Amino acid sequence: EVQLVESGGGLVQPGRSLRLSCAASGFTFDDYAMHWVRQAPGKGLEWVSGISWNSGSTGYADSVKGRFTISRDNAKNSLYLQMNSLRAEDTALYYCAKARVYSSGGAIDYWGQGTLVTVSS
Amino acid sequence: IQLTQSPSFLSASVGDRVTITCRASQGISSYLAWYQQKPGKAPKLLIYAASTLQSGVPSRFSGSGSGTEFTLTISSLQPEDFATYYCQQLNSYPYSFGQGTKLEIK
Repeated sequence: EVQLVESGGGLVQPGRSLRLSCAASGFTFDDYAMHWVRQAPGKGLEWVSGISWNSGSTGYADSVKGRFTISRDNAKNSLYLQMNSLRAEDTALYYCAKARVYSSGGAIDYWGQGTLVTVSS
Repeated sequence: IQLTQSPSFLSASVGDRVTITCRASQGISSYLAWYQQKPGKAPKLLIYAASTLQSGVPSRFSGSGSGTEFTLTISSLQPEDFATYYCQQLNSYPYSFGQGTKLEIK
């Protein structure tokens, strides 16, 4: 059974940093691309970032480019999102998500339950 | 790439046939997926590659289109289908979602 368990969310002040983690199990982690998707309270889905199976390709939403960094550790079956210079508009539930394929172009077939990030003073 | 879904809200009855449209601001070939999300839950993949039904998804769901115009059709609405639906383009980074279509019971 595929499981994606996010951690690292919480309350943080504007301008500070936070690192999200996602522990993956139930599949061969280094065979698939991974993504972060967020959802602000009461709003729609926003794709945040994606990374290919071997970290060779990464992508970011314009709203987070230059502030967020996605990475993965295939030896630890883990995905990360380093979030710097956080803003109030980054407040959202952050989902870790698995792609259907190893590189770009694949839809997301599994999602975690999300970790809540609240940016507020 | 901007994705525009229509309508944003849809009221329908059990047994109805409904269609949701997703238009892309530029061509994305068939790199489009559809998801269903219920309140308090993570999204669920319904359709990928514009028209391929994800394993385990009922056959009343179907997708079509390529290039810039895509549709999700539910042939006969069931009570469990009332939810919010999103399209997503996976043609090029940054990937993007449509704004969502909330399907409500009439």
